Amino acid sequence: DGGITQSPKYLFRKEGQNVTLSCEQNLNHDAMYWYRQDPGQGLRLIYYSQIVNDFQKGDIAEGYSVSREKKESFPLTVTSAQKNPTAFYLCASSMGPRGSPTDTQYFGPGTRLTVL
Amino acid sequence: AQKVTQAQTEISVVEKEDVTLDCVYETRDTTYYLFWYKQPPSGELVFLIRRNSFDEQNEISGRYSWNFQKSTSSFNFTITASQVVDSAVYFCALSEAPVRGNKLVFGAGTILRVKS
Repeated sequence: DGGITQSPKYLFRKEGQNVTLSCEQNLNHDAMYWYRQDPGQGLRLIYYSQIVNDFQKGDIAEGYSVSREKKESFPLTVTSAQKNPTAFYLCASSMGPRGSPTDTQYFGPGTRLTVL
Repeated sequence: AQKVTQAQTEISVVEKEDVTLDCVYETRDTTYYLFWYKQPPSGELVFLIRRNSFDEQNEISGRYSWNFQKSTSSFNFTITASQVVDSAVYFCALSEAPVRGNKLVFGAGTILRVKS
């Protein structure tokens, strides 16, 4: 079955610790995205990658980092510099080269991060 | 700048009622794409529809229909004969030209509660 997997589903972190969220897709998609969702708000873009070994900052990249060493994987690290990291994180991917807007983004099940 | 407004924060209906979710967007581009996603309690965003700016035909898919009107910059979503399983958060989103990296701009979402 093709799809996007995110792990873990729930994650607890102590203040001051870095934590990495996993996102893997077997859809053979070129583009991948990370969004953050806070209660009562829409999704906001953190980082995106249109091709392997390339990524760009989204609207709220401060305190986050990513890598794109493989086509199928786009891990997100939430660093201690992120002042309010408790949120629901969603990973998405889309098909075409360089992320054409005609490509629909498909989403993973999300990871809920709580900072204790 | 691009913006999506979903003015209805929460809607409650009784099963079998029809319900319309409003979406108003702002963009500088003449070429753009509009989307609706459904987020059930499990958290994963489910793609419902994509519409490009040159296609103003209304679309119907089962109990779902969409009304796209460029004159009012609106892309409204109607559920006919609502069911309890329709209870979810619904997001409208806008995507612009490739130069902007196929970023999706989301509205804040509308919570739909369908009571039996």
